[in-house]
Amino acid sequence: GAVVSQHPSWVICKSGTSVKIECRSLDFQATTMFWYRQFPKKSLMLMATSNEGSKATYEQGVEKDKFLINHASLTLSTLTVTSAHPEDSSFYICSARGGREEVFRETQYFGPGTRLLVL
Amino acid sequence: KQEVTQIPAALSVPEGENLVLNCSFTDSAIYNLQWFRQDPGKGLTSLLLIQSSQREQTSGRLNASLDKSSGRSTLYIAASQPGDSATYLCAAPNRDDKIIFGKGTRLHILP
Repeated sequence: GAVVSQHPSWVICKSGTSVKIECRSLDFQATTMFWYRQFPKKSLMLMATSNEGSKATYEQGVEKDKFLINHASLTLSTLTVTSAHPEDSSFYICSARGGREEVFRETQYFGPGTRLLVL
Repeated sequence: KQEVTQIPAALSVPEGENLVLNCSFTDSAIYNLQWFRQDPGKGLTSLLLIQSSQREQTSGRLNASLDKSSGRSTLYIAASQPGDSATYLCAAPNRDDKIIFGKGTRLHILP
């Protein structure tokens, strides 16, 4: 099965700093990657969709200058939370889709998530 | 607009019982539906993926059904075990090919 990794798995930072989260597809080329946010006991909310080599498409209400997404290669997408504030504390999960094989094109494979705590 | 609803929000059952989790979706023009498991503080584990042409999928003690016409899917867990305790999420794509998640069912299996 396809594997998607995220790094770091958890991060604690001070308010005002920027945090970068990496999402990697380890055994397939992800033409599309998705970033989700999950608050405690809530479901996943899609933040943005990124296609390799192009600008990310953000969902309504998500600040693109706050959450910078880069999908520079077919195996790596990054989410940078700029000038983080306590309300940005959340669980961030990425997923990846793509590749030549049909199963990779239709299915999203999810990473293990990154827990961010902003003090 | 695709909306995914899961009932019940929480469920506690004694070990060994069979149980059913329900999921409904408003837009039946889906090409697949997925069930995921999420343990506390962890990411998602894909359990079953049902293509729109299929009516059910089975994996071990899990069986998921899909009825597009009624906008419903069920996840059946046989002979439940304490290790099955987790949150189960149902997800269906919308017409923009984005996955919409339900709020999940928190399952607790009592030893």
